Amino acid sequence: SQTIHQWPATLVQPVGSPLSLECTVEGTSNPNLYWYRQAAGRGLQLLFYSVGIGQISSEVPQNLSASRPQDRQFILSSKKLLLSDSGFYLCAWSVPRREKLFFGSGTQLSVL
Amino acid sequence: GNSVTQMEGPVTLSEEAFLTINCTYTATGYPSLFWYVQYPGEGLQLLLKATKADDKGSNKGFEATYRKETTSFHLEKGSVQVSDSAVYFCALRPRWNRDDKIIFGKGTRLHILP
Repeated sequence: SQTIHQWPATLVQPVGSPLSLECTVEGTSNPNLYWYRQAAGRGLQLLFYSVGIGQISSEVPQNLSASRPQDRQFILSSKKLLLSDSGFYLCAWSVPRREKLFFGSGTQLSVL
Repeated sequence: GNSVTQMEGPVTLSEEAFLTINCTYTATGYPSLFWYVQYPGEGLQLLLKATKADDKGSNKGFEATYRKETTSFHLEKGSVQVSDSAVYFCALRPRWNRDDKIIFGKGTRLHILP
């Protein structure tokens, strides 16, 4: 069966520090991968999605970047965190051209 | 463009009350429609979906009917339980979507009081 792992579950980082959040999917090949952010009062915002290794699409300009070094690995990064980067980050995957998204358990990021 | 609008929360109800969470959408063509649920401290999970007009999605006592004429997909449950307390997201996937993006509403937080 397919599973998605996302870590860490919680993270507290100072402003200006780097960030790396990792997400891996098991039990499937060539999934579509997504990073969403859930901020208070703003709902669920799509940040990045990927349909293959090295293929990243960015939805909104921001202080973050994403990479897909392997088929089932999706990494969210920042060189210097801002206060506004605080939020709940969710990784998700789907079978290409299928509609159902499967979400990880999320990372609560607090930038202080 | 494609967008989803759902009612502002939080919604607070007593146990066994009737629930409606409104959702309307804007999309080109005929999208697929979804409700996702997020329990405290967890990621989202698919609750139900409908892929064409007049379809009714249902799961765990929740229902939503795809209304093309009113571009709506309201979520309903006849008798809510404390365990239904969560955040509910309405979402759509445009029909002619090359990149498989799913667009979410802002979410509605539901509190059920015992």
